Amino acid sequence: NAGVTQTPKFQVLKTGQSMTLQCAQDMNHEYMSWYRQDPGMGLRLIHYSVGAGITDQGEVPNGYNVSRSTTEDFPLRLLSAAPSQTSVYFCASSYGTDYEQYFGPGTRLTVT
Amino acid sequence: RKEVEQDPGPFNVPEGATVAFNCTYSNSASQSFFWYRQDCRKEPKLLMSVYSSGNEDGRFTAQLNRASQYISLLIRDSKLSDSATYLCVVNNLWAGNTPLVFGKGTRLSVIA
Repeated sequence: NAGVTQTPKFQVLKTGQSMTLQCAQDMNHEYMSWYRQDPGMGLRLIHYSVGAGITDQGEVPNGYNVSRSTTEDFPLRLLSAAPSQTSVYFCASSYGTDYEQYFGPGTRLTVT
Repeated sequence: RKEVEQDPGPFNVPEGATVAFNCTYSNSASQSFFWYRQDCRKEPKLLMSVYSSGNEDGRFTAQLNRASQYISLLIRDSKLSDSATYLCVVNNLWAGNTPLVFGKGTRLSVIA
């Protein structure tokens, strides 16, 4: 099992560009989520999904879109990148919020 | 009051010392509690779940105090390899749009 994979590992964007951060898991987990981690702020939830076709907003959803067309994949789209979106992004999957969350290795995004 | 609060530290302790962290949570309906460990520039990984009766895993002991709404983590006989940031995580399903809330973490440095 590969677990949770994220691509790319590093990305530099210019303000206004769009891009998609990829996340995939091979553990047949229904629950998937995206977090951003900034110094002094901890992990903050962007969007989450409780199963294919179902997504919901977290604490900081503005500027991001998600979709969940399959159980395995949960991509995060930045619509028009802003410097405030410079952060480390983690994707996680699990059987649910009562269970262990498995995190991907993260994507370090810089927006200039 | 913030949903999950932790002392950010750093806690600097010598090898072999015993160290304890506390974490307070605001949602009295929370049912699941966890401690995660995060090494520098890495993804968080589950250290242990916290059960109502308390639980122990080797040198690590976790306790839950529902009356005072806090969980604790005790590390005995600290090792250099215990140096990391420890994240308190609380299931928050019945309040707001953040099913799992992460504390900002407590940094531990174990010194030789």
